[in-house]
Amino acid sequence: DIVMTQSPDSLAESLGERATINCKSSQSVLYSSNNKNYLAWYQQKPGQPPKLLIYWASTRESGVPDRFSGSGSGTDFTLTISSLQAEDVAVYYCHQYYSTPYTFGQGTKLEIK
Amino acid sequence: EAQLVQSGAEVKKPGESLTISCKGSGYSFTSYWIGWVRQMPGKGLEWVGTIYPGDSDTRYSPSFQGQVTISADKSISTAYLQWSSLKASDTAMYFCARLGTAGDFLDHWGQGTLVTVSS
Repeated sequence: DIVMTQSPDSLAESLGERATINCKSSQSVLYSSNNKNYLAWYQQKPGQPPKLLIYWASTRESGVPDRFSGSGSGTDFTLTISSLQAEDVAVYYCHQYYSTPYTFGQGTKLEIK
Repeated sequence: EAQLVQSGAEVKKPGESLTISCKGSGYSFTSYWIGWVRQMPGKGLEWVGTIYPGDSDTRYSPSFQGQVTISADKSISTAYLQWSSLKASDTAMYFCARLGTAGDFLDHWGQGTLVTVSS
């Protein structure tokens, strides 16, 4: 199984500041034949299901604010929130869909400082 | 707009059987894989398995193989997750979600079904 490791486990930033969450996979999730990284990011607010933010490592889902961006390739990925808003308080998960069983990172809890 | 609506919360005793459901609407139910994801209390997300309602092709995570059964009834656009003998360790929130067309990310999620197993 591919192990997904996120860092940090929790994070507190001030409103308007940049927040950065990292995700590392135990093996590459880059498919060489199409040069796509099989990596997604989700946001889960308390009492709600997860919501898709980013797929193919850097493609923003329709309707997701452009302050959210994804980057990285191979085994190292980053989710960046450029200007933190109060409504961004949530747990964020990375997810590899490169090989089964598909796996998630352990989650990063984002709070406002 | 695609929507997945799950059945309500359940409280069961160890050893009992249970089936929870996930009804799709607003899209062609038979053309997209449906996945099930477990979230134990206060914990992260775990992949249970997937089903393609068009032909009922089913795949399980090795951790859940033999522990649950995934099925679908395409005539009523509904997928199911079933246990034959519940354990206390099955206590969790279970989400269904639709897999994307081009890749197996989860683009639409149900609201979740809380399963509580307690004597």
